[in-house]
Amino acid sequence: DTEVTQTPKHLVMGMTNKKSLKCEQHMGHRAMYWYKQKAKKPPELMFVYSYEKLSINESVPSRFSPECPNSSLLNLHLHALQPEDSALYLCASSQGPSGNTGELFFGEGSRLTVL
Amino acid sequence: SQKIEQNSEALNIQEGKTATLTCNYTNYSPAYLQWYRQDPGRGPVFLLLIRENEKEKRKERLKVTFDTTLKQSLFHITASQPADSATYLCALDMRRNTPLVFGKGTRLSVIA
Repeated sequence: DTEVTQTPKHLVMGMTNKKSLKCEQHMGHRAMYWYKQKAKKPPELMFVYSYEKLSINESVPSRFSPECPNSSLLNLHLHALQPEDSALYLCASSQGPSGNTGELFFGEGSRLTVL
Repeated sequence: SQKIEQNSEALNIQEGKTATLTCNYTNYSPAYLQWYRQDPGRGPVFLLLIRENEKEKRKERLKVTFDTTLKQSLFHITASQPADSATYLCALDMRRNTPLVFGKGTRLSVIA
């Protein structure tokens, strides 16, 4: 069982909807990540938070908005998405800050479908 | 920029044989190299990490080698089982304030 919990597991939304993906870890990890993964492709990094501050934004469109309310929680707010944004969204955490990664602990992912 | 290649998209082997997956990279050698397993529709699971000054690392039926001269890591599963069927991802861990770089993965199918 993963120690990184993501909700919801599945989400279907229209292009005008606003929704959020949530991620939680209680391992005391200091870095948290959002990845996007399309079928048969590797995970693609979107954002990294290190000590609750955004440290990496991989040129992600503004319709994706991350938030780190505290060291255990990470949200991804979604607004005005496109059908091509449909993918598996993975949250991960690591013990050290970004740049001193060590192993990543991934959640099970949130399967997003944009209609 | 750093590139990473897992040169088999898919690999089929017979149960009981040893599966060998390859990960090649260009440019700078990473400080570490990591291997993950991913089942369909699920998040990757960390398997092994090997440091640049280690030649080999083992964990149960898994063995990873790291050759910085060849810029290559090999991942072996001995006595493979159908339950080992999954996609295996290698990832370069450069440290130095850069995130992991994932390869495209190799989909392993172990046939009974």
